[in-house]
Amino acid sequence: QSVLTQPPSVSGAPGQRVTISCTGSSSNIGAGYDVHWYQQLPGTAPKLLIYGNSNRPSGVPDRFSGSKSGTSASLAITGLQAEDEADYYCQSYDSSLSGSGVVFGGGTKLTVL
Amino acid sequence: EVQLVESGGGLVQPGGSLRLSCAASGFTFSSYSMNWVRQAPGKGLEWVSYISSSSSTIYYADSVKGRFTISRDNAKNSLYLQMNSLRAEDTAVYYCARGGSWSEYAFDYWGQGTLVTVSS
Repeated sequence: QSVLTQPPSVSGAPGQRVTISCTGSSSNIGAGYDVHWYQQLPGTAPKLLIYGNSNRPSGVPDRFSGSKSGTSASLAITGLQAEDEADYYCQSYDSSLSGSGVVFGGGTKLTVL
Repeated sequence: EVQLVESGGGLVQPGGSLRLSCAASGFTFSSYSMNWVRQAPGKGLEWVSYISSSSSTIYYADSVKGRFTISRDNAKNSLYLQMNSLRAEDTAVYYCARGGSWSEYAFDYWGQGTLVTVSS
């Protein structure tokens, strides 16, 4: 069970907007640590989608956006497309963990109806 | 073009050992921290280990501490993970991932992964 909580699944029709939440606590997101998001298409390696809460790496469409408030973060996808069907993971740093403190959310499966 | 290519996975018996490698190209390997992240079949991502660019700082997840050893050879542009005393719960796809330019905690490039299966 991860310290970052994501809904197991979300769904939406093509063209719609969906959001994926990532809920943490005062030792991670709430402490001001950045949140990063990854997209994992079926059978492939994860890909960095959003870094530093709201920044998109080069090549990531602006349909993807990230935000953070308090102890939570969100990934929004607008103009949903069939190729967006994937697993999405949030990641942050947790000061209560030993080691590097890197922690992933449990992941959210996005289904495009 | 940045490339990370893992190798060394396979089937190993419980209690056995395996050494994973990650060959890096397309960037100045010695300037970046590196990580191993694993994904058990049908499960989510789990960070395993971190090594700084100069190998001066190393971290492990509690689940592998004392059994796994991360290392790197900057002259050979390679990252390694020595896995000893393997358990069934170590079965997973193992990815090497680069610490990002903006933040080393944002992993900006990943390899394709190598499957480790621990079973008798």
